[in-house]
Amino acid sequence: DIQMTQSPSSLSASIGDRVTITCRASQNIRGYLNWYQQKPEQAPKLLIHAASRLHSGVPSRFSGSGSGTDFTLTISSLQPEDFATYYCQQSYNAPRTFGQGTKVEVK
Amino acid sequence: QVQLRESGPRLLKPSETLSLTCSVSGDSMNIHYWTWIRQPAGKGLEFIGRIFSTGSTDYSPSLKSRVSMSIDTSQRQFSLRVTSVTAADTAVYYCARESLYGDYPYDFWGQGSLVTVSS
Repeated sequence: DIQMTQSPSSLSASIGDRVTITCRASQNIRGYLNWYQQKPEQAPKLLIHAASRLHSGVPSRFSGSGSGTDFTLTISSLQPEDFATYYCQQSYNAPRTFGQGTKVEVK
Repeated sequence: QVQLRESGPRLLKPSETLSLTCSVSGDSMNIHYWTWIRQPAGKGLEFIGRIFSTGSTDYSPSLKSRVSMSIDTSQRQFSLRVTSVTAADTAVYYCARESLYGDYPYDFWGQGSLVTVSS
């Protein structure tokens, strides 16, 4: 199985901050990397697919980059509704695997 | 708009079989993969398995011996069975669509169904 490792596991940030979350795959997954946002008591929502493609309806302050084994999710200016947990997920091969999550909390 | 909804028993005893069904609306089931994912309380997301309209499946190696999935495209449903459950199977179970457009993301999710295993 491909192991996905996110860092940090949690972070504290303020409104307006630039936030960066990284995700590393245990082997080359080319660009088959997706990012999800999950709020308490809700299902995850797709933010970015194919490493850098913004899903329909997702604000442009979210962006993704990377390829191969190293990927980044960036929130350019953190908004109140962005406090949540973020997961990366590889769709390169089966079984699909997720990172352990990064919780973005209020500073 | 594509919608998914999980249904099934919420409380099980150890050694029983978990059975969940996901009902799909707003989409043909013939194009995409249909997936089950679970999340224990306070923990991360775990891929359980996926099924295609042909019945082809992929299961998580760690659950493969206890998991089976089926699909009925005419009824717009797919199902999950997990045998011999223990407390470790207590989790919110999500069904999701793995889109075959754009590098296979999970673009639509059900709201989740909490399944508790307790004696």
